[in-house]
Amino acid sequence: GQQVMQIPQYQHVQEGEDFTTYCNSSTTLSNIQWYKQRPGGHPVFLIQLVKSGEVKKQKRLTFQFGEAKKNSSLHITATQTTDVGTYFCAGPTSGTYKYIFGTGTRLKVLA
Amino acid sequence: EAGVAQSPRYKIIEKRQSVAFWCNPISGHATLYWYQQILGQGPKLLIQFQNNGVVDDSQLPKDRFSAERLKGVDSTLKIQPAKLEDSAVYLCASSRDGPNNYGYTFGSGTRLTVV
Repeated sequence: GQQVMQIPQYQHVQEGEDFTTYCNSSTTLSNIQWYKQRPGGHPVFLIQLVKSGEVKKQKRLTFQFGEAKKNSSLHITATQTTDVGTYFCAGPTSGTYKYIFGTGTRLKVLA
Repeated sequence: EAGVAQSPRYKIIEKRQSVAFWCNPISGHATLYWYQQILGQGPKLLIQFQNNGVVDDSQLPKDRFSAERLKGVDSTLKIQPAKLEDSAVYLCASSRDGPNNYGYTFGSGTRLTVV
């Protein structure tokens, strides 16, 4: 079945350093979504990418959808302690609106 | 608008006991989802309702899990009997027309511990 993997699984950075998480799907995706889950919290929708090669920015966060629409990345510039949490990508199974969540990347920011 | 409401927030039960979770979606959201999130993993869809009808329950362990959505609004998820591996956070989510475009809106979840 369809699988969505993320690397790295964990990342510890010093405050002010950059951070990137990568998402890879075993199948081509019609779109990809990103969520953030704070420790003890629930996933919160961040953004959706649809077009091949699409790049979107939200302040210090940059999201990119691969040309082949099988991978995506989230880059955070100059991390802050408020960025702590687990970042998930999610993609729909072929022909449906049923989203498969990735394995997640847990970010820890050291002040 | 008010968010997705879930209760209880936490639940500890012994294995083989039964437990039920409740969810009230955002007003006007026709689609409701129950997800299971095991510690360290991403959420996994258990069941999806469209109004009060089941759209997808392919990953629901039907020998022990059941869910209903009466009148197309509130929903309950039940586990009977519970197993140790059911320890997880159970997340309810809703959407107006499906998660495409604006994603899922999740509730705070119910953390279940089976001992």
